[in-house]
Amino acid sequence: ETGVTQTPRHLVMGMTNKKSLKCEQHLGHNAMYWYKQSAKKPLELMFVYNFKEQTENNSVPSRFSPECPNSSHLFLHLHTLQPEDSALYLCASSQEDRPTYEQYFGPGTRLTVT
Amino acid sequence: RKEVEQDPGPFNVPEGATVAFNCTYSNSASQSFFWYRQDCRKEPKLLMSVYSSGNEDGRFTAQLNRASQYISLLIRDSKLSDSATYLCVVNMDSNYQLIWGAGTKLIIKP
Repeated sequence: ETGVTQTPRHLVMGMTNKKSLKCEQHLGHNAMYWYKQSAKKPLELMFVYNFKEQTENNSVPSRFSPECPNSSHLFLHLHTLQPEDSALYLCASSQEDRPTYEQYFGPGTRLTVT
Repeated sequence: RKEVEQDPGPFNVPEGATVAFNCTYSNSASQSFFWYRQDCRKEPKLLMSVYSSGNEDGRFTAQLNRASQYISLLIRDSKLSDSATYLCVVNMDSNYQLIWGAGTKLIIKP
């Protein structure tokens, strides 16, 4: 079974739409992350959850709303996005939210905002 | 100065050659260092952790130079399959957050 799965893999949405990205990890990890990866730019950490509790919010605009119902599932709810939000959104998990632990990534959702 | 800085490349290297690239970091208190590999249109995957004493895994060697605040990655006997973007990752001491470099693109040519 693939360790970290993400759906959908591709998403095109208008600026007035509401959509959600889903991430599921099958590794028994306690920490989950949302990253944004734009072309030619470093990965940007958006949110961190540890044992379902949010431990980091990197000044992300409120049009991105995370939800972590349990340690295995993570959602990113999107509404009224801007064209500059088009990017690859990566979910990751690790044993705990400490930097010594390897992060395992899902394949990402490629988002295009029109 | 960027927190984590890498030469974007691309490094074009013939198969079988040795290639090395560095990554500089700004926070002298950083404790954790990693190299991740990202293939085109794929997710990043951990290549190796970088310890104070260095780390070697087959053809790959990583080194840490605290005095000059950089880590390095050396690839010996390069293979076509080594073509990828190599991401340098460093933690910032103020919290547990990892800071990612933008990556160095490596192209191995037959």
